[in-house]
Amino acid sequence: AQSVSQHNHHVILSEAASLELGCNYSYGGTVNLFWYVQYPGQHLQLLLKYFSGDPLVKGIKGFEAEFIKSKFSFNLRKPSVQWSDTAEYFCAVNAGGTASKLTFGTGTRLQVTL
Amino acid sequence: GEEVAQTPKHLVRGEGQKAKLYCAPIKGHSYVFWYQQVLKNEFKFLISFQNENVFDETGMPKERFSAKCLPNSPCSLEIQATKLEDSAVYFCASSQLGVEAFFGQGTRLTVV
Repeated sequence: AQSVSQHNHHVILSEAASLELGCNYSYGGTVNLFWYVQYPGQHLQLLLKYFSGDPLVKGIKGFEAEFIKSKFSFNLRKPSVQWSDTAEYFCAVNAGGTASKLTFGTGTRLQVTL
Repeated sequence: GEEVAQTPKHLVRGEGQKAKLYCAPIKGHSYVFWYQQVLKNEFKFLISFQNENVFDETGMPKERFSAKCLPNSPCSLEIQATKLEDSAVYFCASSQLGVEAFFGQGTRLTVV
């Protein structure tokens, strides 16, 4: 069975600070990796995804993530956060293949202060 | 449509009543997934469909939960005899090729 760990439950940063949110997964086979963001009261939006190829993926709103296979990690980064980045961030994985269910981490609440 | 449309946005049911939630996937998407988000953060997979066929139902509580995706109709998730612990936000997601999922706004079910 797959599992996803997000070690940072609540992160508080000042605007312009750099961000790194950790995500580790447990699964022995091929995986697809995702980061979703959930703004207050809204649905999940896809930030970025990794299927194969270049392990450094760039997503929307200046976010990027690096897949390190040897560490089973897919950490999310942003060089300079904005107040509007305040949200919940979820890392998710599914097994490579069609229509595999997503397994989510428990999320990281990011609070950006002015 | 271009978005996954879920109705209603909010649903309040007394314990023991039936609840029915609807999801219209993005046009052209063949796969539909249902997830339950409890305690704000924990997502639990319930069931997935490929067109009108159940693809994976390993997360569905067998006794009170059922779901359907019929041709030319929104998909539905039905809970018979709701319990307090069914209170959650239920998200529907659709996918064209079954890999990248797009989520709807969710239905917040409150059982009182």
